[in-house]
Amino acid sequence: AQSVSQHNHHVILSEAASLELGCNYSYGGTVNLFWYVQYPGQHLQLLLKYFSGDPLVKGIKGFEAEFIKSKFSFNLRKPSVQWSDTAEYFCAVNAGDNYGQNFVFGPGTRLSVLP
Amino acid sequence: KAGVTQTPRYLIKTRGQQVTLSCSPISGHRSVSWYQQTPGQGLQFLFEYFSETQRNKGNFPGRFSGRQFSNSRSEMNVSTLELGDSALYLCATSAGFTDTQYFGPGTRLTVL
Repeated sequence: AQSVSQHNHHVILSEAASLELGCNYSYGGTVNLFWYVQYPGQHLQLLLKYFSGDPLVKGIKGFEAEFIKSKFSFNLRKPSVQWSDTAEYFCAVNAGDNYGQNFVFGPGTRLSVLP
Repeated sequence: KAGVTQTPRYLIKTRGQQVTLSCSPISGHRSVSWYQQTPGQGLQFLFEYFSETQRNKGNFPGRFSGRQFSNSRSEMNVSTLELGDSALYLCATSAGFTDTQYFGPGTRLTVL
């Protein structure tokens, strides 16, 4: 069964610091990769996604992620975080096909940005 | 375009009761997935429906069931509630097989 791991449970940064959140998955076939964010009191929102093509994908709010197939990784990055980036971040893998969606989420990484 | 709506938003039940949660997808979305979110277990996949058929199911007991109607609206039912069923139940919808999922705000279920 596929699984998703996220390297850090809780990350604390100061504003303007750079961010990298690790995500690794285990699945041998073709996958679609996602990062979702859950701001305090809000529902899950899509940050960015990778289906195919350029392995460096850009999302909303200045986030980007790089898919490295050989490492089964899809790390999320942002060059300069803001206080408003405080949220929980979830990496997800969808190995769904014509037989249905099969999303597996990582455990999440809580990001706290100090003003 | 209206987002995913879930009703009710909050629910309090007692052990042994049953509950039905509802999810209305974004217009045009035919895939509806359900997730359970808890602090200890994170987001866990319950099942997915597409065109009124269950296509995938996670590792949950048979007390958890669902269905989808012809208008793509979906309901999830939990029978014989247990304390451990207290969680945020999320619905996510998408247009097709591997498209992006859009999440609703969730239904917060508390079992006393």
